[in-house]
Amino acid sequence: GIQVEQSPPDLILQEGANSTLRCNFSDSVNNLQWFHQNPWGQLINLFYIPSGTKQNGRLSATTVATERYSLLYISSSQTTDSGVYFCAVTNNNDMRFGAGTRLTVKP
Amino acid sequence: KAGVTQTPRYLIKTRGQQVTLSCSPISGHRSVSWYQQTPGQGLQFLFEYFSETQRNKGNFPGRFSGRQFSNSRSEMNVSTLELGDSALYLCASSLGNGNTIYFGEGSWLTVV
Repeated sequence: GIQVEQSPPDLILQEGANSTLRCNFSDSVNNLQWFHQNPWGQLINLFYIPSGTKQNGRLSATTVATERYSLLYISSSQTTDSGVYFCAVTNNNDMRFGAGTRLTVKP
Repeated sequence: KAGVTQTPRYLIKTRGQQVTLSCSPISGHRSVSWYQQTPGQGLQFLFEYFSETQRNKGNFPGRFSGRQFSNSRSEMNVSTLELGDSALYLCASSLGNGNTIYFGEGSWLTVV
């Protein structure tokens, strides 16, 4: 099946800093989503982005499908951004998650 | 509108027992999918149902099964529980066919 790799595995930031999270995948995908899992386990959809660029407030994402990667940008990070960020890709109805990037934002 | 609702939120079972988890999707969503999350294996896809039919299945043993009802509510069942089945079980719903999926808060299962 398709392989999904996220980097970095862990990231510690000071409040106000910017960050870039990366998701590489091994095959073409029908869709790609970014999720944030809060400390209580709730997964929240951030972006549905099989290609192109989207922005939502301080967050934006870019997927370059031809080069098989996606980037999630977090600007002016806040402590509430802490948690684990997952990308999930779907290829022919086979959905795979990356191992996630654990982000800690310190005040 | 109401989100995805999963019940129960927490449960403890004994090895060898079986468990049934329930998921009520967002109104109008016909696709319901299930996932298992463990510290060791991460997030893994279990199966997806659309209009009462299982469309996709992940790589899990036959002890894991599910079904979807005509109102799109879904249940998953795990029989002959093993210690390794202890996990957060997440349900998600969507309109289907590649649309954004929305997760419930999950059911925390502990097998002792």
